[in-house]
Amino acid sequence: SAVISQKPSRDICQRGTSLTIQCQVDSQVTMMFWYRQQPGQSLTLIATANQGSEATYESGFVIDKFPISRPNLTFSTLTVSNMSPEDSSIYLCSDRPASNTGELFFGEGSRLTVL
Amino acid sequence: AQSVAQPEDQVNVAEGNPLTVKCTYSVSGNPYLFWYVQYPNRGLQFLLKYITGDNLVKGSYGFEAEFNKSQTSFHLKKPSALVSDSALYFCAVRENSGGYNKLIFGAGTRLAVHP
Repeated sequence: SAVISQKPSRDICQRGTSLTIQCQVDSQVTMMFWYRQQPGQSLTLIATANQGSEATYESGFVIDKFPISRPNLTFSTLTVSNMSPEDSSIYLCSDRPASNTGELFFGEGSRLTVL
Repeated sequence: AQSVAQPEDQVNVAEGNPLTVKCTYSVSGNPYLFWYVQYPNRGLQFLLKYITGDNLVKGSYGFEAEFNKSQTSFHLKKPSALVSDSALYFCAVRENSGGYNKLIFGAGTRLAVHP
């Protein structure tokens, strides 16, 4: 499986600010996924990021709030815009291996606390 | 839509005893099922998957899972629990939506192994 690195690993942010999370994969992958894990909750898919096309957002998530970039096959960013305390979560980046049987591999996550 | 349910918020087991973490699924068609583990302050780690074939699937760290079609279950098991197995466990199912596959996660079960 590819090694997935995320930055920052954690941050404390002020209400109303925006933060960009970076996700780097050590091999080329077609699809990358961004998940959110709110405190004590399961994982919820935010969007799927394909290289060279607009990200596909899940119900309840919009591009203005969570803009995503996918400039190449090894890198993606997720921005959490105009943050509020409700955005305090772990944000996880994942990729899908070429086997395409469905399993995903995850980065260590970025833990954001919004004050 | 595909879904998985994890009926137990927490499972407690003594070290050395067998453990079971329960998962039931609801899918249309053949299920692709997965188990992940999340250690404190870490991302998700893939444990095992069921795609087809033998109903007993073996995975990482001595874990296995039994696929039961008649009971629509995919319980995670280990013959002898270790204190280091204490973590959050997620069951997941693959869903094809919008032309691509994504994972839908259960609510998670916290496993506590006591010395």
